[in-house]
Amino acid sequence: NAGVTQTPKFQVLKTGQSMTLQCAQDMNHNSMYWYRQDPGMGLRLIYYSASEGTTDKGEVPNGYNVSRLNKREFSLRLESAAPSQTSVYFCASSEYRGTGSKETQYFGPGTRLLVL
Amino acid sequence: SQELEQSPQSLIVQEGKNLTINCTSSKTLYGLYWYKQKYGEGLIFLMMLQKGGEEKSHEKITAKLDEKKQQSSLHITASQPSHAGIYLCGAASLSGGSNYKLTFGKGTLLTVNP
Repeated sequence: NAGVTQTPKFQVLKTGQSMTLQCAQDMNHNSMYWYRQDPGMGLRLIYYSASEGTTDKGEVPNGYNVSRLNKREFSLRLESAAPSQTSVYFCASSEYRGTGSKETQYFGPGTRLLVL
Repeated sequence: SQELEQSPQSLIVQEGKNLTINCTSSKTLYGLYWYKQKYGEGLIFLMMLQKGGEEKSHEKITAKLDEKKQQSSLHITASQPSHAGIYLCGAASLSGGSNYKLTFGKGTLLTVNP
């Protein structure tokens, strides 16, 4: 099992460019998440998908869109990148076991994005 | 919203020393997760605590959740250079549906000098 994989590992963009960060998991998990990690701010949730076909906003969704392509894949899109979106982006997944269950989230290795 | 305060922000210890990292919540914790992150890498799950007074250990790392479920501590015994990294606590909170979301503390950077 590869677990959670993310591509690309590094990316440099110019302001206004667009790009899509890809995430895939092979653990048959229902739920998937996108976080960003910034110095002094910790990890913040951007968007999440509780199950295939559903997506919801997290704490910092502005400037991002997501697509839950299928059960395995959850992509994050920056339509018009801004320097404030320079960050490390992490994808995570967890298995939903029913109301009240607290599933462990497993994280990918991250994508380091620099917007100039 | 739930806020998590981690202390200390950073810690430098000599190899072989014991150390403790704390995580304090503004609200009752329904689930508390500890993760470790090596520089430039993703988060590795260490332990999850749910019940007041619960304690779990893995190798030389012990995590505890207090009876009131508002504070957790992570204790490392006889630290080694391999323990170095960023330790993050995450609190589970119920989202709009029936899923739990995680809110993270800002992390504690641990350096272990040989």
